[in-house]
Amino acid sequence: QLQLQESGPGLVKPSETLSLTCTVSGGSISSSSYYWGWIRQPPGKGLEWIGSIYYSGSTYYNPSLKSRVTISVDTSKNQFSLKLSSVTAADTAVYYCASDGRTWVPQYYYYGMDVWGQGTTVTVSS
Amino acid sequence: DIQMTQSPSSVSASVGDRVTITCRASQGISSWLAWYQQKPGKAPKLLIYAASSLQSGVPSRFSGSGSGTDFTLTISSLQPEDFATYYCQQANSFPVTFGGGTKVEIK
Repeated sequence: QLQLQESGPGLVKPSETLSLTCTVSGGSISSSSYYWGWIRQPPGKGLEWIGSIYYSGSTYYNPSLKSRVTISVDTSKNQFSLKLSSVTAADTAVYYCASDGRTWVPQYYYYGMDVWGQGTTVTVSS
Repeated sequence: DIQMTQSPSSVSASVGDRVTITCRASQGISSWLAWYQQKPGKAPKLLIYAASSLQSGVPSRFSGSGSGTDFTLTISSLQPEDFATYYCQQANSFPVTFGGGTKVEIK
C-alpha cells in the first residue's frame, strides 16, 4: 500500500532555506487521483497546510507562505519536495507530507488526505 | 480563503459518552470536508471524507454529517483509544484550510 517518507535536515539556520523531500512508495506519484501535499504543525499548535502539487507540476500554495515556498515533483524518482526560504524561528515545526485524494472525472470528488508520512521535526536556530 | 471554525476547542468526556464536534465553514463548501484524528507525536489519521464517508478501517462509532457550511463529527460511544485531537479540513477550493482542532480529554 501507499507509503510516504519525509527526509531532510532537522536543523536550519535563520535566513536560510529549508529543504525537504517526500518519497512515495507502494504507488505512483503520477497517479491522476492525487495531489501531493505538505502540512506543518508548530509545537503545541494546529495543522497548517503549506501547499500541494499534481504530478504534472501544477501547484497551489498557502497565501501566507507563497512568497517563500516552492514545491516541485520528480516523477522519475517518485518524489516531491518542499523549499521554504528565509526561515525564522516561526518556521520551527513538524513537517508532514501527505497524499491528497481528488478526482475530477466524471465530476469532482474528494477522498481526503489518506496517507501521511511520519513527520519530520525541523528546528530553525543558529 | 475559507475559514474553518471548530467548536468546542476542548471537551472532557467519559468512556461510553456520545461526543459531538462541530465545524463551520465561512462559506459553502458543499460536502468537501474531511475529519482527522491526531494522537500526541503521531501523524493525523483520516476518519471521514466527503463529510460523511467512513474511511476504510475506521470504527463505525465515528460518523460525520452536514453540508454547505455546518458539519459535525460524532463519536457514538467514546472508547479509551479515542482520546485525541480532532481536526476538520475543507477541500472545496484551494487554499486547503484546517479547523483549529478539538481536544477530547478524559473526564
